[in-house]
Amino acid sequence: EDQVTQSPEALRLQEGESSSLNCSYTVSGLRGLFWYRQDPGKGPEFLFTLYSAGEEKEKERLKATLTKKESFLHITAPKPEDSATYLCAVQVAGGFKTIFGAGTRLFVKA
Amino acid sequence: SAVISQKPSRDICQRGTSLTIQCQVDSQVTMMFWYRQQPGQSLTLIATANQGSEATYESGFVIDKFPISRPNLTFSTLTVSNMSPEDSSIYLCSGRSGTGNTGELFFGEGSRLTVL
Repeated sequence: EDQVTQSPEALRLQEGESSSLNCSYTVSGLRGLFWYRQDPGKGPEFLFTLYSAGEEKEKERLKATLTKKESFLHITAPKPEDSATYLCAVQVAGGFKTIFGAGTRLFVKA
Repeated sequence: SAVISQKPSRDICQRGTSLTIQCQVDSQVTMMFWYRQQPGQSLTLIATANQGSEATYESGFVIDKFPISRPNLTFSTLTVSNMSPEDSSIYLCSGRSGTGNTGELFFGEGSRLTVL
């Protein structure tokens, strides 16, 4: 069964304290891996797409990486405005639907 | 990317009633997806809606409970029928960017339903 697992469930950081969020996946074949940010009361907002192992994408304080079994979202010197839930999702090869992980709730304290 | 307008944004409903959620996209989208997000949980796919064909439902979701319409490439509706308190949730409409079958999704703001 195709599955996406995110850890930790919640992460509390001080402003400026860098860390990483993990997304491990078990799929029959990967068409694409996606990271989203979701703020309370809002729909998910797209951040990155990764297609193959070794690929990296960066945007401001965020960097996403991909291996054959997992992806990491690295947050460098986070600010309070980075507080949100970060969702990992995969699209399975041969299909068109997207499966989401449970998310990591990030809290950044000033 | 495209913008999705979803309404109602929230509603309080009585048990046994039905509610229709509307989803309007500002550009043509081949595939649209309806998700449910229960409090503190992640997104669960309800169904995929394509124009001109019946929606494809995921395991645990049936057409009688969640009928979907997709009359054109910019609009879709999801009805939650015969509601019970267990249907209290956020319902999200989404579309896929681009014209292919691969790519990121963009979402509406969601419809928060509370069933009493």
